[in-house]
Amino acid sequence: AQTVTQSQPEMSVQEAETVTLSCTYDTSESDYYLFWYKQPPSRQMILVIRQEAYKQQNATENRFSVNFQKAAKSFSLKISDSQLGDAAMYFCAYAGGSEKLVFGKGMKLTVNP
Amino acid sequence: DAGVTQSPTHLIKTRGQQVTLRCSPKSGHDTVSWYQQALGQGPQFIFQYYEEEERQRGNFPDRFSGHQFPNYSSELNVNALLLGDSALYLCASSLDRIYEQYFGPGTRLTVT
Repeated sequence: AQTVTQSQPEMSVQEAETVTLSCTYDTSESDYYLFWYKQPPSRQMILVIRQEAYKQQNATENRFSVNFQKAAKSFSLKISDSQLGDAAMYFCAYAGGSEKLVFGKGMKLTVNP
Repeated sequence: DAGVTQSPTHLIKTRGQQVTLRCSPKSGHDTVSWYQQALGQGPQFIFQYYEEEERQRGNFPDRFSGHQFPNYSSELNVNALLLGDSALYLCASSLDRIYEQYFGPGTRLTVT
């Protein structure tokens, strides 16, 4: 079974600075997708960024980028120029052949003004 | 373009009762997945519906059942509620075989 591990339960960052959230996963599949979701206090899970395992190029969406290391099964999220609105729970998720999402336990990000 | 909607927002039930939660997928999506998110945890997959049939199921007892209607909307039913069923229930929709799932705001179920 696939597993996703987020080892840091909480992190904080100063506004305008950069922060990196870590995630590791375990799978025997060769074709899969990885995601970062953001869940603010409003509870709605928002897709931040996705990475296809077959792509060597790291995904980027504006201030959000990933460092995907397939051999190490590592998938970290970098948030540049952090904003107050980035404060939320962040979940790393995996989707393979079964298409269901497997989530990590999440990490709470605090942004200090 | 309406996103994923869920009803009700909050619900309080007593142990042993039954509950029905509802979900309308994002316009153009045909696949609906349900997740249970306990406090302080990541969402856990319950099941997925496509073409009105349960396509796959997570590790949840038969007390959890669902249905998908011809318009792709879906219901999640939970029978014989236990205190441990208290959680946020999330519905997500996607287009078949496309891995991006879009989530609704969730239904907070409290079992007393």
